[in-house]
Amino acid sequence: EDQVTQSPEALRLQEGESSSLNCSYTVSGLRGLFWYRQDPGKGPEFLFTLYSAGEEKEKERLKATLTKKESFLHITAPKPEDSATYLCAVQASGTYKYIFGTGTRLKVLA
Amino acid sequence: GAGVSQTPSNKVTEKGKYVELRCDPISGHTALYWYRQSLGQGPEFLIYFQGTGAADDSGLPNDRFFAVRPEGSVSTLKIQRTERGDSAVYLCASSLNRQGNQDEQFFGPGTRLTVL
Repeated sequence: EDQVTQSPEALRLQEGESSSLNCSYTVSGLRGLFWYRQDPGKGPEFLFTLYSAGEEKEKERLKATLTKKESFLHITAPKPEDSATYLCAVQASGTYKYIFGTGTRLKVLA
Repeated sequence: GAGVSQTPSNKVTEKGKYVELRCDPISGHTALYWYRQSLGQGPEFLIYFQGTGAADDSGLPNDRFFAVRPEGSVSTLKIQRTERGDSAVYLCASSLNRQGNQDEQFFGPGTRLTVL
């Protein structure tokens, strides 16, 4: 069964304290792995798509990496405005269905 | 330009009633998804439309749930005989879904459904 597990569930960082969020997945052929950011009361906002092991993408203070079993979202020198829930999702080959993890709630303290 | 819009933003209904939730995708987006999100959980896939047709409805929990997209743009999620367990935020997302590309999904703000 296709599955996505995110850790930790919650993370508190001081402003400027870099860290990584983990997304472990089991899927019968990966079509794509996706990272989203979700603010309270809003829909998820797209961040990155990764397609194959070894791929990396960056956007401002965020960098996403992918291996055959997991993906990491690295946050460098975070700011309070980076506080949000970060969601990971996978799409298996031959399907358009997206499977989401439960997310990591990130709080960055000033 | 306008993003994905969903109406109503909040819906409170009584157990056993019928509800309709509406999604207006971004103009020109052929792919449309419905999800359900409970508190503290990630979005749960319900159904995917490519144009007017439901290409994958495997996430609909039972036959009380039904969705349509008659003209390939606006979609309506319909829930019959609502139950308290149906209470959640219902999210809609659309994407261009160009051939061979995993286009990003643009999500609406959701409809918060509360069944009393």
